[in-house]
Amino acid sequence: NAGVTQTPKFRVLKTGQSMTLLCAQDMNHEYMYWYRQDPGMGLRLIHYSVGEGTTAKGEVPDGYNVSRLKKQNFLLGLESAAPSQTSVYFCASRGGIVRAFFGQGTRLTVV
Amino acid sequence: TQLLEQSPQFLSIQEGENLTVYCNSSSVFSSLQWYRQEPGEGPVLLVTVVTGGEVKKLKRLTFQFGDARKDSSLHITAAQPGDTGLYLCAGPYSGGSNYKLTFGKGTLLTVNP
Repeated sequence: NAGVTQTPKFRVLKTGQSMTLLCAQDMNHEYMYWYRQDPGMGLRLIHYSVGEGTTAKGEVPDGYNVSRLKKQNFLLGLESAAPSQTSVYFCASRGGIVRAFFGQGTRLTVV
Repeated sequence: TQLLEQSPQFLSIQEGENLTVYCNSSSVFSSLQWYRQEPGEGPVLLVTVVTGGEVKKLKRLTFQFGDARKDSSLHITAAQPGDTGLYLCAGPYSGGSNYKLTFGKGTLLTVNP
């Protein structure tokens, strides 16, 4: 029972490069989320999705794009990475009103 | 945007001590959740409180939801080194959407042997 799986777990990018983070969940959850976590800032919502084919902006969406073509997958893209996007990224999914399940995170460094 | 403020931000105590951490807001929440996050891992749900005044116990952890549903507390009795971690409170956004969860900045707890 995998739950929420994020790939990759670590990545180093050069400024201006692009990349995609993949989140996969096997719980048939409708809602999926991308958060970033920075020291002293807690978890901040980047984008979220309430179902297949839908996406919406969170608190800090600039510089990121997302897609949810399949219910089980939620992709986060960085088109032109900047040092300010160095962070730990967490994906989460929810099946109902309450509990969120998180992946183990992707540690991204932009140099 | 609803803001959840957690205090203290950092807490370092000795094994066996008791502690309380707080989660406060100026807004009413339909529910609040507490998560614990260990280094290198994602947050894991500890409890959800829904009813104002509700008290839930999880072994040595006691969670309380304020009567007005604007605040919550987590009390740990006889803390152990295994309790070390980042404690986050979270609640659903208002404004017509329960889809989004907003998180506090967390309390980083260190329990020293």
